Amino acid sequence: DAGITQSPRHKVTETGTPVTLRCHQTENHRYMYWYRQDPGHGLRLIHYSYGVKDTDKGEVSDGYSVSRSKTEDFLLTLESATSSQTSVYFCAISAGTETDTQYFGPGTRLTVL
Amino acid sequence: AQSVAQPEDQVNVAEGNPLTVKCTYSVSGNPYLFWYVQYPNRGLQFLLKYITGDNLVKGSYGFEAEFNKSQTSFHLKKPSALVSDSALYFCAVREGGGSQGNLIFGKGTKLSVKP
Repeated sequence: DAGITQSPRHKVTETGTPVTLRCHQTENHRYMYWYRQDPGHGLRLIHYSYGVKDTDKGEVSDGYSVSRSKTEDFLLTLESATSSQTSVYFCAISAGTETDTQYFGPGTRLTVL
Repeated sequence: AQSVAQPEDQVNVAEGNPLTVKCTYSVSGNPYLFWYVQYPNRGLQFLLKYITGDNLVKGSYGFEAEFNKSQTSFHLKKPSALVSDSALYFCAVREGGGSQGNLIFGKGTKLSVKP
């Protein structure tokens, strides 16, 4: 999985609790992304980062925040989890030019009860 | 706005037969096109991409894809399907031209190859 790890790999939590997912890369790539995958929707971009402390919103950013304090780590936080955020979350990285390939981590399955 | 469509939710093929997974796209400028495969409980794996040049792109595991600008299509093909090719396939597009636009993914096509 191209030097990308995600933690935790599985998490069950309750509505209203905060949740943080971590993505760690060893490739020193500039760009990092968070996607969610839901049946019938494919992958949808939540947030992305184009450098340390540089982040921007994606298509489905409501209810999510991100932080990137180091090149290798990109955190996704659900401040107050809701059942609609039950999903599989994928991190991806790329070197950053428009022709570059994005490489994906193994995913985190999050269930919000 | 960019968009990509995978018109078939599922494709069924017999082992040894050729397979095609369809993808059409819409962008304003030049398209950069990608195919990924996802096996159960795994992340997406990159198969191939079209940036420029030859319309026939060859990728991993014997897959290839043909870029057709007039039909705005980028169909994934393999001459002889294997049972192990059974997986979920995603097409993605990014608009070129220096915009650093994000990848837009299709909804995915489930490929089932029967022995």
